[in-house]
Amino acid sequence: DIHLTQSPSFLSASVGDTVTITCRASQKFNSYLAWYQQRAETAPKLLIFATFNLQSGVPPRFSGRGSGTDFTLTITSLQPEDSATYYCQQLTSFPLTFGQGTKLEIK
Amino acid sequence: EVQLVESGGGLVQPGESLRLSCEASGFTFNEFLMHWVRHIPGKGLEWVSSISWNGRKVDYAGSIKGRFTISRDNNKKSLYLQMDNVRSEDTALYFCAKPLGSMGGAFDSWGQGTLVIVSS
Repeated sequence: DIHLTQSPSFLSASVGDTVTITCRASQKFNSYLAWYQQRAETAPKLLIFATFNLQSGVPPRFSGRGSGTDFTLTITSLQPEDSATYYCQQLTSFPLTFGQGTKLEIK
Repeated sequence: EVQLVESGGGLVQPGESLRLSCEASGFTFNEFLMHWVRHIPGKGLEWVSSISWNGRKVDYAGSIKGRFTISRDNNKKSLYLQMDNVRSEDTALYFCAKPLGSMGGAFDSWGQGTLVIVSS
C-alpha cells in the first residue's frame, strides 16, 4: 500500500498569507495525485488532479506540484473561506489512499 | 449537472447489516467506475471500495474486506454498499464518488453523504 503523510497536520495563517502543505508518499509513484478541500462534515471538493492540474472552477490561488514521493499544495492570498481540512490522495494503485489531512485555520 | 444521492444510513448495532444506496444522475452512469469513500470522525477520509463500469472488477480497503460488498445496477443508475458484520470503527459519513474519467482518476463529484452509526 502507498502510505501518504501530510505535514503539517495543523496550520494557522492570516488572510493574505501564502501556505504550503506537503504530502509525502511511502514509495515513488506516477503523478496521479489529487488534492481535496473539505469543510466540516460536508463532501470533499476536488481542487487539483494529476499533481498540478486545476479543477474547473477552482481559483488559481491554488496550485500543486511535485513528483516521485514529494508533492505540495500551495494556497496564495489566503481568504477566510479557505478555512478547511485539506487531503492529498494517490490514485496510482489500489488501495487508493488519502493523507491524514491538514487543518487550515484562518486567523 | 451531476448528482449523487446517498441513502440507507442509520443507527445499527455491532454485528448487524446495512445497505447503502447511491442514485446517480446527470452523467452516463453505466460508463463510469464508481467509488465509496467514508469520513471517520476525527480521523479523516478513507477510500472504501470501487467497482468497474460493468461490475466485473471490484476493489476493497483492507479494513472492510470480507465484510462489505459493492455492487451496482446500471439500469437503475444506482450504486450499493452492503455492509455486514459492522463494527464500531465503521461509524462514519459514507459518500459515493464519481471519477473525472470513466476509467478512473480524481473524484470530481460527490454525494452529500449518509451517516452510519454503529453502537449498541
